[in-house]
Amino acid sequence: GDSVTQMEGPVTLSEEAFLTINCTYTATGYPSLFWYVQYPGEGLQLLLKATKADDKGSNKGFEATYRKETTSFHLEKGSVQVSDSAVYFCALSASFSGAGSYQLTFGKGTKLSVIP
Amino acid sequence: EPEVTQTPSHQVTQMGQEVILRCVPISNHLYFYWYRQILGQKVEFLVSFYNNEISEKSEIFDDQFSVERPDGSNFTLKIRSTKLEDSAMYFCASSEISGGQPQHFGDGTRLSIL
Repeated sequence: GDSVTQMEGPVTLSEEAFLTINCTYTATGYPSLFWYVQYPGEGLQLLLKATKADDKGSNKGFEATYRKETTSFHLEKGSVQVSDSAVYFCALSASFSGAGSYQLTFGKGTKLSVIP
Repeated sequence: EPEVTQTPSHQVTQMGQEVILRCVPISNHLYFYWYRQILGQKVEFLVSFYNNEISEKSEIFDDQFSVERPDGSNFTLKIRSTKLEDSAMYFCASSEISGGQPQHFGDGTRLSIL
């Protein structure tokens, strides 16, 4: 079945450091890919998405590129802030049955802590 | 910005009791979902709902679970006879259409079974 593997956390960075969180996936067909973020005490918020190969999703300084050849969707940010501290989830969207609604398959999440 | 709302934020229930978790999806959305996250584990898909019926369900969604859209706004998840292993965070989500469109999540209900 479909699966998402993302790097284990926690990740601790100093403010203004460069961030990479690796994400690879296994899926049949051509899934859409997403990064969701969960701030403490809150629900999952969409951070960015990409729906086809070579698409780059971006938002709030974060970027990720859909790489079909390496089945990857790594999250990057050039300069992290304390306010970026959260848990980040990589996810893919596909239909179990090939028709009907599409479900999200999530990675385990990576906790990021940014220290001043 | 419209959002998905879930109630209650925390539910504590005795094992064997029935529990109903409530969600109000975004008003113009057509697809509705429930996910759960057991502490320290992945967020897992439970069920999707469209046009007043279940579209897909996972192996987790057995006969103890049911979903309903009792009126034009609420979407509920019922667990008939709760077990200890049902303790988890339950997330409701909705999307305008299906396919590659993003799903919008509520803040979740933390369910604790004693």
